Amino acid sequence: DTAVSQTPKYLVTQMGNDKSIKCEQNLGHDTMYWYKQDSKKFLKIMFSYNNKELIINETVPNRFSPKSPDKAHLNLHINSLELGDSAVYFCASTRGPEVGELFFGEGSRLTVL
Amino acid sequence: TQLLEQSPQFLSIQEGENLTVYCNSSSVFSSLQWYRQEPGEGPVLLVTVVTGGEVKKLKRLTFQFGDARKDSSLHITAAQPGDTGLYLCAAWQQAGTALIFGKGTTLSVSS
Repeated sequence: DTAVSQTPKYLVTQMGNDKSIKCEQNLGHDTMYWYKQDSKKFLKIMFSYNNKELIINETVPNRFSPKSPDKAHLNLHINSLELGDSAVYFCASTRGPEVGELFFGEGSRLTVL
Repeated sequence: TQLLEQSPQFLSIQEGENLTVYCNSSSVFSSLQWYRQEPGEGPVLLVTVVTGGEVKKLKRLTFQFGDARKDSSLHITAAQPGDTGLYLCAAWQQAGTALIFGKGTTLSVSS
């Protein structure tokens, strides 16, 4: 069983479109995150949710809207996609803020043409 | 803003060589983590160091946390092609709200 699973793994789309990435964790963790990894491999925090509540929004454009229907799921919706949104998006989870390790999904590679 | 500076950014070596990767900050951290990421996958935790001056060993990998808890190093002895990957240091932001990462070291070990 995959601990943190993301879908889709690959997304290719045109500028201006809207897309969503889904994430689910079966670890029973309370805290989930979205990270963006750019072409230089830098991992940057975007959002953090603890028990379905938003904890962090790291100056991400409001075209990005996370949604957590329950503490096992954290989805990411992106409106009006731009070229600069091309990156690999990682979902991750941990037992709680500042607790232990992060468990990552395999990543979703988004390419905006 | 807390930053983690990693060096070198790229390392290309022959099998059997030793190497060291550094992670430095001007901030003090309660703990520091090292992750390894392979192509097409998410980062996976290698180790967490907690105490200043702590040294942890995982087979051929040795991790050290600086006495002042501002820096850390990863030393690999007799590198093998299987060690190839992206090595990331990470630490929790002061507010404990997110794990921040260094920019990573891409290691390539050729046989």
